[in-house]
Amino acid sequence: GEDVEQSLFLSVREGDSSVINCTYTDSSSTYLYWYKQEPGAGLQLLTYIFSNMDMKQDQRLTVLLNKKDKHLSLRIADTQTGDSAIYFCAEDTGRRALTFGSGTRLQVQP
Amino acid sequence: EAGVTQFPSHSVIEKGQTVTLRCDPISGHDNLYWYRRVMGKEIKFLLHFVKESKQDESGMPNNRFLAERTGGTYSTLKVQPAELEDSGVYFCASSQGGGDEQFFGPGTRLTVL
Repeated sequence: GEDVEQSLFLSVREGDSSVINCTYTDSSSTYLYWYKQEPGAGLQLLTYIFSNMDMKQDQRLTVLLNKKDKHLSLRIADTQTGDSAIYFCAEDTGRRALTFGSGTRLQVQP
Repeated sequence: EAGVTQFPSHSVIEKGQTVTLRCDPISGHDNLYWYRRVMGKEIKFLLHFVKESKQDESGMPNNRFLAERTGGTYSTLKVQPAELEDSGVYFCASSQGGGDEQFFGPGTRLTVL
C-alpha cells in the first residue's frame, strides 16, 4: 500500500541543524523527494534521491535513505529564518503520480 | 519562462454551488497533474493528463469532479455540486515527460460553506 507519514511540527533555533523525518510503506518507490512550500507559494522541489542510494548531499541539505526501514530524512544545516516553511516528502512508485506525506511545518526561531 | 499558474487563488462558495478551477501548465509540458490537500492532511493525487487524454484518474473522489484538458493546453477542474468536504487547496503540476520533475502551481484554496 501507499502511505507516507511525517511529524507535523518542528521548531529549531537559527543556526542549528534541522532534521525532518518521513516513513513510507511502498518498497517499490523509485525516487523519493523533498518539497518545500512557503506561505502563498506552490511546492518547490528541494532535492530528491534515487532508491538505490543511501545518501545525497546538496549544499546545506543532506538526504538519508534507509531502505530497509523505509525511512527518509532531510537534514538542513545552519538553519535560517528563510527555511521556515512546510516540508513534504513524496514518493514516486512509477505511476507518475506522487504520494505525499502530510507535511512538517518547520519554524525557525531567531 | 512563466511557471504553472492557477486561477482563482481563492474561492468561497456555498454547498451545492458549482466551481471551476483552472490550471495553465508550463508551455510545452505534455503532462498535467491535479492534486488536493484537505484539512492540513497529506497532498493527494487526483488525476494525470498526457496532452488531452486522461492517463490516470484513479484519485478522483467521485463523479462530482470533472476534469478536462481540451486541446492539451490548460486544464479545468469542475466541482458540481460542491460539498463541505471538498474544501482544501487544489494544486496543479506539469512536467515535460512522464517521469520528469513536476513543477507545481501556487494552488487554489477552495472553501465550501
